[in-house]
Amino acid sequence: GENVEQHPSTLSVQEGDSAVIKCTYSDSASNYFPWYKQELGKGPQLIIDIRSNVGEKKDQRIAVTLNKTAKHFSLHITETQPEDSAVYFCAAGNAGGTSYGKLTFGQGTILTVHP
Amino acid sequence: GAVVSQHPSRVICKSGTSVKIECRSLDFQATTMFWYRQFPKKSLMLMATSNEGSKATYEQGVEKDKFLINHASLTLSTLTVTSAHPEDSSFYICSARGQGYGYTFGSGTRLTVV
Repeated sequence: GENVEQHPSTLSVQEGDSAVIKCTYSDSASNYFPWYKQELGKGPQLIIDIRSNVGEKKDQRIAVTLNKTAKHFSLHITETQPEDSAVYFCAAGNAGGTSYGKLTFGQGTILTVHP
Repeated sequence: GAVVSQHPSRVICKSGTSVKIECRSLDFQATTMFWYRQFPKKSLMLMATSNEGSKATYEQGVEKDKFLINHASLTLSTLTVTSAHPEDSSFYICSARGQGYGYTFGSGTRLTVV
């Protein structure tokens, strides 16, 4: 089955700096790569996702890059703010058209943004 | 956007009793529901996948007689933890997907068995 590795496990940055979280996956059949933000005691919230036919996607301060050959993808947050502090999870799965298979999650990264 | 409502958010039960957790898709038809378990400071572990009207498919190591999953309608799935014990204490999260919709997560249920 799919195996997703996520690094680093903790990341501490100063407000305004950039943060990068990296993930690798093992199953070449995976073609859908979402990133989730989870705050304490809450469910994960999708912040950005990318499909394997795209190499990069950006949404304001958040961007995701995908290298299919190397089987790794990264989350980039620019101009970080204290409210970005949370646990971030990457995931990988197989999505065909409008159908989605199960997701495999990375171990999570605790991001702390210091004012 | 797609919304999934999960209840209760917190529940405390006595050892040996059963607890039911509900997950509802409010504005779309959830053809598939996923149930996850999350330990403190750990990742989400998939417990089972259920398609509406079919029996759930459980992940390896998950006791299907202990964690009963029902997905009888396109908007409701339930997870029942039977004969709960302290080791079942955890954060349980559902996720729903439907035609044209990706994964939408519920807000989670904190189960404490005393």
